[in-house]
Amino acid sequence: NAGVTQTPKFRVLKTGQSMTLLCAQDMNHEYMYWYRQDPGMGLRLIHYSVGEGTTAKGEVPDGYNVSRLKKQNFLLGLESAAPSQTSVYFCASSLGTGEISYEQYFGPGTRLTVT
Amino acid sequence: GNSVTQMEGPVTLSEEAFLTINCTYTATGYPSLFWYVQYPGEGLQLLLKATKADDKGSNKGFEATYRKETTSFHLEKGSVQVSDSAVYFCALSRSGGTSYGKLTFGQGTILTVHP
Repeated sequence: NAGVTQTPKFRVLKTGQSMTLLCAQDMNHEYMYWYRQDPGMGLRLIHYSVGEGTTAKGEVPDGYNVSRLKKQNFLLGLESAAPSQTSVYFCASSLGTGEISYEQYFGPGTRLTVT
Repeated sequence: GNSVTQMEGPVTLSEEAFLTINCTYTATGYPSLFWYVQYPGEGLQLLLKATKADDKGSNKGFEATYRKETTSFHLEKGSVQVSDSAVYFCALSRSGGTSYGKLTFGQGTILTVHP
């Protein structure tokens, strides 16, 4: 049982390049989330999904797209990377339905640098 | 909207000292409250939680009490260890089905414990 995994762990992009971050969970969780972590700002929600085939915008969605084609996977895409997207990206999942407190389980993070 | 404010860090303590990290929140209704911990190079882990007023969450010697009258959820530990060195995040999740467990985080407090 690996929990939540993220690929890749590190990546350096040039401005304007594109990439996709992959998040996978093996806990059969309904809900999945993408956050970015910046110094002094905590974590901010980019997009989330409440089930296979669904996605919704979070607090800071601009410049990102997501897809949830399979229940266990949640992809985060950057179509044209900008230096402002340099950050550490965390994926999380939660059981969803029936879970009062919606406890979230986090992946180890992806450190992205855009030059 | 929802917000979480944590005491500014970093916090530096000697081993066996008493720890308090203040957390206050703004939210409508009755949110669930959490403390997450992030050890160096890792993702976030749930430390403790409380889902209603006057609840006390506890884990690994850490405690926090949900105080609705002061909108606070301060983290305490009676005797810290070097292994407690980490970043601590206070977070809330709004209650209700349409919240989908989305978390609002504080900015994080860096704790360093010296031998």
